Amino acid sequence: AQKITQTQPGMFVQEKEAVTLDCTYDTSDPSYGLFWYKQPSSGEMIFLIYQGSYDQQNATEGRYSLNFQKARKSANLVISASQLGDSAMYFCAMREGLRGANSKLTFGKGITLSVRP
Amino acid sequence: DTAVSQTPKYLVTQMGNDKSIKCEQNLGHDTMYWYKQDSKKFLKIMFSYNNKELIINETVPNRFSPKSPDKAHLNLHINSLELGDSAVYFCASSQDLGQGRSNEQFFGPGTRLTVL
Repeated sequence: AQKITQTQPGMFVQEKEAVTLDCTYDTSDPSYGLFWYKQPSSGEMIFLIYQGSYDQQNATEGRYSLNFQKARKSANLVISASQLGDSAMYFCAMREGLRGANSKLTFGKGITLSVRP
Repeated sequence: DTAVSQTPKYLVTQMGNDKSIKCEQNLGHDTMYWYKQDSKKFLKIMFSYNNKELIINETVPNRFSPKSPDKAHLNLHINSLELGDSAVYFCASSQDLGQGRSNEQFFGPGTRLTVL
């Protein structure tokens, strides 16, 4: 079974509007972390935002926020006020366990976002 | 001031050759990783090292051998390259700052390997 599911094949959004990128996950570990990374066409992987499984509040980082619904096992990324530079591939990832040393990231397939001027 | 660097950025080689990719991080992190991104952009962990000790070794052919001479370096050597090895290989690093912290992984720019 896939641990991270990103089913949206490609998303389009008008500049300055908000967009939600979907991510669902599957784990039996009560301790886990969820991440979103951005990969622009230049290829680098850029960390955007993190949500821990015990965090009480949804994470926010500037224009990025994470809509964390634990019971539904979803961790959707919301980008507000889209900019042309937001056009990229976005990956949702999970780390089972809350410590870094012995944990790997399991990635979803990614979603391509295109921002229209 | 590159945090995680990889060399080379591009590598084109013939089937059967042996090649290495080097990775260095200047973040003082204690854990380093290798990921493979295939032609469909799917990213998968290959290895991780913590303080020069191999921690994660996913189902990777033994033609792939990581080597960590010190905490700041994790190199990837590939023997007898095959067409299916063509991919982008990312090095990453992280520091365990404790439970409750993001301990996010910082990625290098990637090495695009093409096997002809």
